[in-house]
Amino acid sequence: EDQVTQSPEALRLQEGESSSLNCSYTVSGLRGLFWYRQDPGKGPEFLFTLYSAGEEKEKERLKATLTKKESFLHITAPKPEDSATYLCAVQASREKLTFGTGTRLTIIP
Amino acid sequence: NAGVMQNPRHLVRRRGQEARLRCSPMKGHSHVYWYRQLPEEGLKFMVYLQKENIIDESGMPKERFSAEFPKEGPSILRIQQVVRGDSAAYFCASSPGQGNTIYFGEGSWLTVV
Repeated sequence: EDQVTQSPEALRLQEGESSSLNCSYTVSGLRGLFWYRQDPGKGPEFLFTLYSAGEEKEKERLKATLTKKESFLHITAPKPEDSATYLCAVQASREKLTFGTGTRLTIIP
Repeated sequence: NAGVMQNPRHLVRRRGQEARLRCSPMKGHSHVYWYRQLPEEGLKFMVYLQKENIIDESGMPKERFSAEFPKEGPSILRIQQVVRGDSAAYFCASSPGQGNTIYFGEGSWLTVV
């Protein structure tokens, strides 16, 4: 069974303080690893898809990387508007996504 | 472009009533997925549909839950005889095909009283 573990569960950073979120996964035949952002009361907002180990993608202050066992979401010089829950999900042989429970990120001004 | 549209956004039902949640996928998307998010839990896959076909329902509870995606109109997630444990956020997602990015709607929040 596919499994996704995200750490830490919650993270508080000062504005401008860079850090990384971790997503460890166990899956048979990874087809894609997805990162989403979710604000309270809203649906997940797509950020990145990574397909193979060594792949990296960037968007504004966010950078996602992928290895054979985990993915990292690096946040550089975050701003308060980056506060959200960040979700990681894997897609294996079937089309369904298996999600982790997320990292709740708070950026303090 | 309009995103994935879900309605109602909020729904209150008494125990034993039926809940119907509707989802219109993004334009050009023919694949629809339903996920459930219980309080303090992660998103859980329920069902994957294409037009007029259920492709994967491995996450659907065996009883009271059903889903359809007719040739015309939105996808419907139907919950019969709701119980308090059905209270959750139900998210619909869509994609243009297998292996493509999956986009989520804003969710339907079901409260059973």
